[in-house]
Amino acid sequence: TQLLEQSPQFLSIQEGENLTVYCNSSSVFSSLQWYRQEPGEGPVLLVTVVTGGEVKKLKRLTFQFGDARKDSSLHITAAQPGDTGLYLCAGSQNTNAGKSTFGDGTTLTVKP
Amino acid sequence: EAGVVQSPRYKIIEKKQPVAFWCNPISGHNTLYWYRQNLGQGPELLIRYENEEAVDDSQLPKDRFSAERLKGVDSTLKIQPAELGDSAVYLCASSLGQGHGYTFGSGTRLTVV
Repeated sequence: TQLLEQSPQFLSIQEGENLTVYCNSSSVFSSLQWYRQEPGEGPVLLVTVVTGGEVKKLKRLTFQFGDARKDSSLHITAAQPGDTGLYLCAGSQNTNAGKSTFGDGTTLTVKP
Repeated sequence: EAGVVQSPRYKIIEKKQPVAFWCNPISGHNTLYWYRQNLGQGPELLIRYENEEAVDDSQLPKDRFSAERLKGVDSTLKIQPAELGDSAVYLCASSLGQGHGYTFGSGTRLTVV
């Protein structure tokens, strides 16, 4: 059983569309990170959220941490082909704060 | 600033052969991680170092995998002997520590034939 469930597993959209991907768990996290990974490369950190209800924006990307710190969402406005990649969420728990557990990711394809 | 450097980028070996991966973390990052990523899945932690001490190796298959981080800087991960199921991407990451995100290297893609 995955500690972090990401959905959808795959998403293919046209350039200019909006989308939201989700990261859900039954466990509470002290912090949660979102990464983007391109083929043949390692994941690249996009954002870290630590406070329940927190919203962070990074250009066209909006990240939200759930009030109970069990879930998170990533919303992309006006998607572009450069947004194509694997979006991974990773969470750390107070019981093992130095370790992040990853979900299996959402593979996003944005078609021109 | 150079990122996390890993080598080699690709490695193809026959089963039962040994293989080693090398990682040079970002300068000043005391925490170093080795993750394994299978196709279509997220990374899974193999081992975490704080300086030269392995503080979490519970997921490392110790019968065939070993790792070291001498002097608390560079690290090597070794598999001996390799099995077909070890084919994966091996990622190294470093971090300033608790509460900070990770910086990953580009990974080593291992294929065992």
